[in-house]
Amino acid sequence: GDSVTQMEGPVTLSEEAFLTINCTYTATGYPSLFWYVQYPGEGLQLLLKATKADDKGSNKGFEATYRKETTSFHLEKGSVQVSDSAVYFCALIANDYKLSFGAGTTVTVRA
Amino acid sequence: ETGVTQSPTHLIKTRGQQVTLRCSSQSGHNTVSWYQQALGQGPQFIFQYYREEENGRGNFPPRFSGLQFPNYSSELNVNALELDDSALYLCASTLAGTGTKEYGYTFGSGTRLTVV
Repeated sequence: GDSVTQMEGPVTLSEEAFLTINCTYTATGYPSLFWYVQYPGEGLQLLLKATKADDKGSNKGFEATYRKETTSFHLEKGSVQVSDSAVYFCALIANDYKLSFGAGTTVTVRA
Repeated sequence: ETGVTQSPTHLIKTRGQQVTLRCSSQSGHNTVSWYQQALGQGPQFIFQYYREEENGRGNFPPRFSGLQFPNYSSELNVNALELDDSALYLCASTLAGTGTKEYGYTFGSGTRLTVV
């Protein structure tokens, strides 16, 4: 079945540090890939997405590139802020049109 | 364009009771999914409704049931509550078909259910 594996946390960084969260997937067909973010006490917000190979999704300084050859969709940000502290979920939608999530990575940014 | 709204935001129930959670989908979305998110874990798919019919279900027992209404609002019902049902319940909506893979799902803020 479809599945998503993302790096385990928690990840703790200083402000202005570089952030990478690894995500790999297994899916039938040609999935769409997503990163969702969950701030404390809130629901999920779509951060960025990519729907085909080599697409780069970007939003709020975050980027991720759809790599079909390595079945990966790693999330990166060049300079994090305290406000980026949240839980980040990698997810995919394959041919069944349902979201499959990774386990989530908790990121804490210290001032 | 309205987003996805859920009610109530918090709820406390006693083991064995029944609960109904409500969701109003984003305008124009005809598909709704429900997820359970236990503390510290990722969301787990409960089921999905399209045009008022269930068209997919995760690994949840029959005491979890749902309804979708013609105005695309929906309900999640849980009977015979157990302590392990304590979780954040998330509703998400999308436009069925190619729209789903293109745009993903829009989530509500969730209902925090505590079973004591």
